[in-house]
Amino acid sequence: EPEVTQTPSHQVTQMGQEVILRCVPISNHLYFYWYRQILGQKVEFLVSFYNNEISEKSEIFDDQFSVERPDGSNFTLKIRSTKLEDSAMYFCASSGVASGGPYEQYFGPGTRLTVT
Amino acid sequence: AQTVTQSQPEMSVQEAETVTLSCTYDTSENNYYLFWYKQPPSRQMILVIRQEAYKQQNATENRFSVNFQKAAKSFSLKISDSQLGDTAMYFCASCLFSGSRLTFGEGTQLTVNP
Repeated sequence: EPEVTQTPSHQVTQMGQEVILRCVPISNHLYFYWYRQILGQKVEFLVSFYNNEISEKSEIFDDQFSVERPDGSNFTLKIRSTKLEDSAMYFCASSGVASGGPYEQYFGPGTRLTVT
Repeated sequence: AQTVTQSQPEMSVQEAETVTLSCTYDTSENNYYLFWYKQPPSRQMILVIRQEAYKQQNATENRFSVNFQKAAKSFSLKISDSQLGDTAMYFCASCLFSGSRLTFGEGTQLTVNP
């Protein structure tokens, strides 16, 4: 069964450093998303991506965040200068088109980011 | 804007019994989609069940079923014949259309006791 994959599973970085989180969405899906979950809190939407551009972003997704689909399979989230409060689990998700097909979002296993 | 509320931070149930998790939401839209996701200790988000708002019939997936009350904006999850592997955090979520953001509730930690 196809699944969303994410690498690395755990990333430790120092405050102020840049990090890139990687995701491989399900191959025939068209919409891609990033969410984050601070420990003990609910899952929060960051950004959605469709047709090689951002389709929606939340107020959390400020100038220090960026997303890219550098090739036909990878979808990346870059945090330019990490802060302590960026420590969280970051989930990638993907979904297909709803024209009779699946619209639910399938999540990857997450990347746990720890900023020290 | 959509909001999703889960008012039960924790619940417990005995193995083989039935438990219902509550969820309410608020939206001004007539068409939308509702979901329940399960997050076990591994923290993987697993889709449990989905419901289209335009469908009156409640969705079921094996031991999982929902009670969707559109007028009351309520979307509860019933787990029958609870199993130890059902122990997890359960999140209720909604989205407006395919490709739009999911809005999550705060979650309910369910513990199934042997």
